Amino acid sequence: AQTVTQSQPEMSVQEAETVTLSCTYDTSENNYYLFWYKQPPSRQMILVIRQEAYKQQNATENRFSVNFQKAAKSFSLKISDSQLGDTAMYFCAFMKGDYKLSFGAGTTVTVRA
Amino acid sequence: EAGVTQFPSHSVIEKGQTVTLRCDPISGHDNLYWYRRVMGKEIKFLLHFVKESKQDESGMPNNRFLAERTGGTYSTLKVQPAELEDSGVYFCASRGYGDDPGEQYFGPGTRLTVT
Repeated sequence: AQTVTQSQPEMSVQEAETVTLSCTYDTSENNYYLFWYKQPPSRQMILVIRQEAYKQQNATENRFSVNFQKAAKSFSLKISDSQLGDTAMYFCAFMKGDYKLSFGAGTTVTVRA
Repeated sequence: EAGVTQFPSHSVIEKGQTVTLRCDPISGHDNLYWYRRVMGKEIKFLLHFVKESKQDESGMPNNRFLAERTGGTYSTLKVQPAELEDSGVYFCASRGYGDDPGEQYFGPGTRLTVT
């Protein structure tokens, strides 16, 4: 079974600043996918960004970018120019070919005005 | 397009009772997943339907849990009899055939409290 670890239960960031969320995982697979999902308070979880393990280039989606270090099994998320709407719980997730997601415990991000 | 819906949003039951959770996936999505998050812990996979067939039920904790997806549309997850450790948030997600991996659309979850 894959293990996904998010070592930061909570993070706080000032509006317009940058915050980085850490995620490490353990797998013996060579081909897999990594994701960051976001769950705003009382709302549905949505996909923020995805990374295929075979791609060396780090994925970016607007203000969200990842730092994927395959050898270190690390997959951090950087939120730039934080906005109040970024306040949410963020989950790192792993998937191999069976399409079932393995999640970390989540990091609660609070953006302060 | 309507998203994934789940009913009820909250359920409080006593130990030993039965509860049935329902998930309506996005119309046309063949793949339906159930996940569970026990308080403060990781979200864990329970099972995966492809249409009406159980593709993978390796995450089901025990035989007190029964999932069905008759007709390949909505799905139900029944817990009978419920135990205290079943408390948590149950998420449903769906994915269309051919959608990118990880493109699972989640419902808002059902918060189950067993007292």
